Amino acid sequence: DSGVTQTPKHLITATGQRVTLRCSPRSGDLSVYWYQQSLDQGLQFLIQYYNGEERAKGNILERFSAQQFPDLHSELNLSSLELGDSALYFCASSTWGGANYGYTFGSGTRLTVV
Amino acid sequence: AQKVTQAQTEISVVEKEDVTLDCVYETRDTTYYLFWYKQPPSGELVFLIRRNSFDEQNEISGRYSWNFQKSTSSFNFTITASQVVDSAVYFCALSEDNNDMRFGAGTRLTVKP
Repeated sequence: DSGVTQTPKHLITATGQRVTLRCSPRSGDLSVYWYQQSLDQGLQFLIQYYNGEERAKGNILERFSAQQFPDLHSELNLSSLELGDSALYFCASSTWGGANYGYTFGSGTRLTVV
Repeated sequence: AQKVTQAQTEISVVEKEDVTLDCVYETRDTTYYLFWYKQPPSGELVFLIRRNSFDEQNEISGRYSWNFQKSTSSFNFTITASQVVDSAVYFCALSEDNNDMRFGAGTRLTVKP
């Protein structure tokens, strides 16, 4: 167990729907990062939060949004889902030191859009 | 621009062979960090090593070793006497600005018994 908890592990939904993925970081970690892993795009950085504030944005679609709550857990919201959104979504956390000090990843949420 | 290149998409070896996974990176920063992660068939991403740009010493951990060469912008990973359990996708990654980590496309290693 890495200490980073992601729920649910699997999600199957229809096109056009909206889903929420949840991540609880490792105890003491203030930063949360979201990544999308698809077959054709590899591991793509989506967004980073640090202590409740958005810190950096990557290739995140406008249909996607995220937030980090006061208890430091984070949610990634995906709306108007398309078939191409099917992927493995990872959450990672790091200490105050940030990405330079490495991530601890959760086990991922596998999203299937049908 | 591509930051991290793993030119080998797939490698297949027979158990006990040595195998080297290549990683080439590009950055304009003088301070940066390089990483390797392993993704076994179960899907999780497992941290293997972190190296900063000022430390070019090679590192060995059991059957794993890493060769960092700034002159060629490479950070290669060698598995000695490979085992079936080493079968996984291996990712090389780069962090420059402390805000995110950029990953290579990954190399799928298959070790056959």
